[in-house]
Amino acid sequence: DAGITQSPRHKVTETGTPVTLRCHQTENHRYMYWYRQDPGHGLRLIHYSYGVKDTDKGEVSDGYSVSRSKTEDFLLTLESATSSQTSVYFCAISDLRGRQEKLFFGSGTQLSVL
Amino acid sequence: QQPVQSPQAVILREGEDAVINCSSSKALYSVHWYRQKHGEAPVFLMILLKGGEQKGHEKISASFNEKKQQSSLYLTASQLSYSGTYFCGVRTSSNAGGTSYGKLTFGQGTILTVHP
Repeated sequence: DAGITQSPRHKVTETGTPVTLRCHQTENHRYMYWYRQDPGHGLRLIHYSYGVKDTDKGEVSDGYSVSRSKTEDFLLTLESATSSQTSVYFCAISDLRGRQEKLFFGSGTQLSVL
Repeated sequence: QQPVQSPQAVILREGEDAVINCSSSKALYSVHWYRQKHGEAPVFLMILLKGGEQKGHEKISASFNEKKQQSSLYLTASQLSYSGTYFCGVRTSSNAGGTSYGKLTFGQGTILTVHP
């Protein structure tokens, strides 16, 4: 257990509403990631963070924003949810200490946009 | 850009072998392999770094060919517990320095099913 918690675990919302997903870690890891998982597409990177207030875009960042005001929390916001954003969202953390880094994933958030 | 995995799906009987390939259009710095069971989060298997090394994890091993920009995962004498979706994740050499070093891009996954 790498001390990573995602909330909520499940969310149903309506098109056009804002949604925020939270990723919380307890082990002071520098890197945090948000991925979405869809059948046939695997895991696609939305945004990632390499430090407090330091974030960068991934492959599918349109329609999403992130914030990291504290080391332990990385928030993903859908400003105006669309049905195409129905997906399973995974948060991950990594240390990148030395070259033997690996990612630890949270349990995921199932988001349904109706 | 996502790396490309092949095949998309594999069906085996216990004891059979399988190979899963991962190819990138960009020069690679490192390759990760993860396995995901149904309804669970992906779990790290191994990482391969530049240098063409081969690594092993139980009866699962992998190779990394820098020149071909590809990696292969070898599953030998498969067990029922090997069933799941396997993902490769890559860090490209262009991102090896600077703040984009942390960027890890995954392939679309290979579904492995092992039957008794």
